[in-house]
Amino acid sequence: DAGVIQSPRHEVTEMGQEVTLRCKPISGHDYLFWYRQTMMRGLELLIYFNNNVPIDDSGMPEDRFSAKMPNASFSTLKIQPSEPRDSAVYFCASTSGRTSYEQYFGPGTRLTVT
Amino acid sequence: AQSVAQPEDQVNVAEGNPLTVKCTYSVSGNPYLFWYVQYPNRGLQFLLKYITGDNLVKGSYGFEAEFNKSQTSFHLKKPSALVSDSALYFCAVRDIRGDFGNEKLTFGTGTRLTIIP
Repeated sequence: DAGVIQSPRHEVTEMGQEVTLRCKPISGHDYLFWYRQTMMRGLELLIYFNNNVPIDDSGMPEDRFSAKMPNASFSTLKIQPSEPRDSAVYFCASTSGRTSYEQYFGPGTRLTVT
Repeated sequence: AQSVAQPEDQVNVAEGNPLTVKCTYSVSGNPYLFWYVQYPNRGLQFLLKYITGDNLVKGSYGFEAEFNKSQTSFHLKKPSALVSDSALYFCAVRDIRGDFGNEKLTFGTGTRLTIIP
């Protein structure tokens, strides 16, 4: 298996621009998670999906952030408009839930907003 | 609510010596516990987990961890450290309260392990 795939690996954008991060979970996994990692705040859970349905989005910082999962093999995290404080590494992870428990992480997208 | 504490931001160990990275947790029910490792510019990589059964669990790269319910701890250990073990280590917990669908992991703040040659 190729593991969790994220794109792009690096994104540099200007404040105010729209940013879309993409994730392909491991085939057969029915849970997908979006995390953000910064030096100041550590690793934060933003949102997670089960069977393509958002279950908990309490970690989404504000309305500028949105996430979708149109099918079992694809999810997006969108920031519109982006701000410099959104600069972070964004990780996607997946798991098969009660049969596996551990989450498998993608390589991350390093976002820099100038 | 579930929480995890990693009391040490940084641990330095001489190569060949045993290492311990500490983790304590708090949950309402029974815990599922995990250790992850993160190398520079990489995603988190699963090391080992405790779900049930034997309190001593063995994982990748010679690491092991001991679940101690009375002390609510899950310390990561390795008998002989390698320079290549230098990385950022995260402990995580999931609270199994019987409400299915709660798949959230709560991560600690991480401990940076440096193995000194």
